[in-house]
Amino acid sequence: NAGVTQTPKFQVLKTGQSMTLQCAQDMNHNSMYWYRQDPGMGLRLIYYSASEGTTDKGEVPNGYNVSRLNKREFSLRLESAAPSQTSVYFCASSKGLYNEQFFGPGTRLTVL
Amino acid sequence: DQQVKQNSPSLSVQEGRISILNCDYTNSMFDYFLWYKKYPAEGPTFLISISSIKDKNEDGRFTVFLNKSAKHLSLHIVPSQPGDSAVYFCAARDSNTGNQFYFGTGTSLTVIP
Repeated sequence: NAGVTQTPKFQVLKTGQSMTLQCAQDMNHNSMYWYRQDPGMGLRLIYYSASEGTTDKGEVPNGYNVSRLNKREFSLRLESAAPSQTSVYFCASSKGLYNEQFFGPGTRLTVL
Repeated sequence: DQQVKQNSPSLSVQEGRISILNCDYTNSMFDYFLWYKKYPAEGPTFLISISSIKDKNEDGRFTVFLNKSAKHLSLHIVPSQPGDSAVYFCAARDSNTGNQFYFGTGTSLTVIP
């Protein structure tokens, strides 16, 4: 039982490059989330998916897109990376929107 | 604007003593509160939660207290152990939207053997 897995663990991009962060969960959870963590800011919600087939914006969605590929997988895409997107990105999942969330190990992204 | 605040970035406690981590919030519509623990290079892990209809919830060495009038919650760890050394985040859910948790900035706890 792997829980929530994220790939890659580390990534360095140049300004303007694009990339997709992958997330998968094997707990049969309905809801999935993408957060970013910045120093002094806590975790901030970027996008979430309440259930397969739905996605909604969170607190800081600008510059990102998401895809809920199926019940297991939820990807986060940066179309044109900017230095302000340098952060640690966490994917999480939960049984439902009202339940505690289980987090992946994070992806450390640096945009030069 | 930070709706959930953890004003102490760090805390050091002797092994065996009590650790008290504090969290304040501004939104009166928050109805569900959680504490997460995070080790370096790992994702946060759920620790304990409390609903706004309660003022206390206990799970082993961990107790969360909620004071709604003061918009304050605290996590007590008794007795503290070196393995408790981690960053602790409090989080709160807005019952208006029901779908977004707001996280504090975290408190780094060091338990000294």
